[in-house]
Amino acid sequence: AQKITQTQPGMFVQEKEAVTLDCTYDTSDQSYGLFWYKQPSSGEMIFLIYQGSYDEQNATEGRYSLNFQKARKSANLVISASQLGDSAMYFCAMREGNYGGATNKLIFGTGTLLAVQP
Amino acid sequence: GAGVSQSPRYKVAKRGQDVALRCDPISGHVSLFWYQQALGQGPEFLTYFQNEAQLDKSGLPSDRFFAERPEGSVSTLKIQRTQQEDSAVYLCASSWDRGETQYFGPGTRLLVL
Repeated sequence: AQKITQTQPGMFVQEKEAVTLDCTYDTSDQSYGLFWYKQPSSGEMIFLIYQGSYDEQNATEGRYSLNFQKARKSANLVISASQLGDSAMYFCAMREGNYGGATNKLIFGTGTLLAVQP
Repeated sequence: GAGVSQSPRYKVAKRGQDVALRCDPISGHVSLFWYQQALGQGPEFLTYFQNEAQLDKSGLPSDRFFAERPEGSVSTLKIQRTQQEDSAVYLCASSWDRGETQYFGPGTRLLVL
């Protein structure tokens, strides 16, 4: 069965520093997608970054980058130059492969609560 | 353009009451998903629509949960005879097609007393 593991319930980081949020996954599929979402206290899930299992380069989106290590089945999120507004819950999610009949639903981890300190 | 919208944002129900939660996906998005998020947990899949067809309802926790999307746009998640364990945030997400990035609405926070 597919599973996402986030082992850090909470993290502190100083403003302007970089932080890495850990994510490991388990799947027997060859084709899959990995996502990170941010959920501030308002509750909305905000899409941050995507990595496909066949992508050779690590994904980057502005201050967000995804450190994808396929052999280790890890997909860590790196946030550079942290800002106070980055304080939120962060979820790693996996989408099953896009083969015929697949729902492509997302499977989420339990999340990491990030607190950025001034 | 507008994102995914959900209504109501908050709902308090007495145990045994029926509730209906609405989701307006991003215009043109074919795929629509419902997720349930318990306090302190990640979202869990409930059901999936491709246009008006409900292709996967494997995550619905009981037959008290029912979802529809009759015209392939707006979707409604209905919970009959609500129980306290139904208290959660119900998130709706849409994508322009199956397998593409899902964009979420703000959620409906349901509290059953």
